[in-house]
Amino acid sequence: AQSVTQLDSQVPVFEEAPVELRCNYSSSVSVYLFWYVQYPNQGLQLLLKYLSGSTLVKGINGFEAEFNKSQTSFHLRKPSVHISDTAEYFCAVSDQGYKLSFGAGTTVTVRA
Amino acid sequence: AAGVIQSPRHLIKEKRETATLKCYPIPRHDTVYWYQQGPGQDPQFLISFYEKMQSDKGSIPDRFSAQQFSDYHSELNMSSLELGDSALYFCASSRRRPLYNNEQFFGPGTRLTVL
Repeated sequence: AQSVTQLDSQVPVFEEAPVELRCNYSSSVSVYLFWYVQYPNQGLQLLLKYLSGSTLVKGINGFEAEFNKSQTSFHLRKPSVHISDTAEYFCAVSDQGYKLSFGAGTTVTVRA
Repeated sequence: AAGVIQSPRHLIKEKRETATLKCYPIPRHDTVYWYQQGPGQDPQFLISFYEKMQSDKGSIPDRFSAQQFSDYHSELNMSSLELGDSALYFCASSRRRPLYNNEQFFGPGTRLTVL
């Protein structure tokens, strides 16, 4: 079985500042890792995913994440945030690439 | 591009009533997943179907049942509704054949309120 821990429940950040959202996972097998974003009253949108290969993954909207197998982490970063990045961010893991197990989510609030 | 369609978008029911949620996957997607997201919580996997057969089962109550039809759309049937069933229900779809890319596309969700 796999599980995900998002270490920060809320992250306030000023506009144009960098942001990092931390995610650690546990699994007994190889995993696939994902970051999803959920805007208020909307569905889940995939930001990026790690399946294999390069450990630095680039996604949409300027986000990137780095897979670190030794630290079992998959932290999400953006060098400069915008007001429109205010949302809930979920880290997720799947073992065979099928059902997803989500973390508890991190609420990012971007202030001017 | 076509996306996952869920209907209805909002549903209000009384306790002990039944509800049916529908999901229409992206064309040529053969796998459907259902997730439940309670207020302020992360989405929890309920059940999935691949080629009209149940492929995996999560924390789905016995009061709930689901199926995938020949046109690949799926329905989640919920009976004897309880207040705790109030949640956002997501459907996601993906394609396993011929080349699976491990990406699930989520619908906008059905918000169920049980009074």
